[in-house]
Order: sequence, then C-alpha cells, then structure tokens
Amino acid sequence: AQTVTQSQPEMSVQEAETVTLSCTYDTSESDYYLFWYKQPPSRQMILVIRQEAYKQQNATENRFSVNFQKAAKSFSLKISDSQLGDAAMYFCAYRSAMAGGGADGLTFGKGTHLIIQP
Amino acid sequence: DSGVTQTPKHLITATGQRVTLRCSPRSGDLSVYWYQQSLDQGLQFLIHYYNGEERAKGNILERFSAQQFPDLHSELNLSSLELGDSALYFCASSVLDSFNEQFFGPGTRLTVL
Repeated sequence: AQTVTQSQPEMSVQEAETVTLSCTYDTSESDYYLFWYKQPPSRQMILVIRQEAYKQQNATENRFSVNFQKAAKSFSLKISDSQLGDAAMYFCAYRSAMAGGGADGLTFGKGTHLIIQP
Repeated sequence: DSGVTQTPKHLITATGQRVTLRCSPRSGDLSVYWYQQSLDQGLQFLIHYYNGEERAKGNILERFSAQQFPDLHSELNLSSLELGDSALYFCASSVLDSFNEQFFGPGTRLTVL
C-alpha cells in the first residue's frame, strides 16, 4: 500500500515571503499522480496543484510550484509571495495510475498547518 | 463552490443509531468518492462508485455501506454508530476515474454522542 508522509505538522511564514512544504511518499508503482490540496478554516478541500509522475517538468500554478523528485519519492510545494489567504492546512495526496488503480481514491498525508504572519 | 452538494451539513446522533449522508455530484460527473476526515485517522478514502457501480473500497468499515443511484447521487449509510465514527465526511466527484480533478463537497459533520 502507498503511504504519504508530511513531516512538518506546522509551518509559519511572513507575508510576501516564500515557504516550502515537504512531502514524501512510498510506492512500488511507476505511474501515479500527486496532488496538493488546501483546506482553509471553512473545511472545503481545494485542489492547488497536480503532477503526473511520467512528466519530468515540475508543475506550476501562478504562485504555487512543486519540486518533484521521482527517484527520491519527494513532492514539495513552494508558495511564493505568501498571502494571508494562503493560511490553511495543506495536504499532499497520491493516486495510482495503474489499470484499476485509477478507481482508487486519494491517499493523503497528515497535513501541514500553514500560518501566515502579517 | 465546487458544484458538489452534501446534506445535511451537520448531524448529531447517539451511539447505536443509523444515519444516511447524501451527496449530489457535479453535473456530468459519473464518479463519486467518499472520504472520512477524523483527528485520529486523518483523511481516509472509503469507497468509490462509478455510474452506479462500486469500483473500489478503501478503509470502509463493514458497518458502513454506500450506493449510487441512477440519477448519480450517492448515499453513505453508517450504522451501529460508535463515538469514534464522529468525523467530517466528504464526498467528491469527477468525470471519470482517472487523472481528472476530484471536486470535493463541503462535507457533513457527524457527531456521535
């Protein structure tokens, strides 16, 4: 079974600065997808960014980018120019791309609570 | 607003009781996933339905069951409730069971007293 580990229970960053959230995962599969979800105090789960394992290029979405290291099984999220609205729990998630595995749900890490200091 | 609706928003019940949580996916989405978020277990995948058929099971207890109806809405049934079942239950939908984004509903907060 796949596991996702987020080793930072909480991170704090000054507004406008850059912060990196860590995520490692364990899998024996070669094809899979990785995601970062944001959960603000409203509890709504919001997709931030996603990465296909077969793509070497790191995904970028505006101020959010990832550093995907397949060999190291690492998938970190970088938030540039942090804003107060970025304060939330951030969850790293894994999903198999194998036939039939696509029917499985997401495997989540325990989350990182991101605090933005004004 | 993700377009996924869940009812009720909050549910308070007693141990031993049975409840039903309802989810309506986004228009056109055929897949519905159920997740449980609790302090102890974090976010866990429970079950996946695709176009009315069960596709995959995760960490779903035998006391829990789900179904997806012809109009594609889904219900999660929780029976013989225990204190430990108190959690936030999410449903998510996607077009297909692939790389497509899963859109999450607002969740149902279940409290078992």
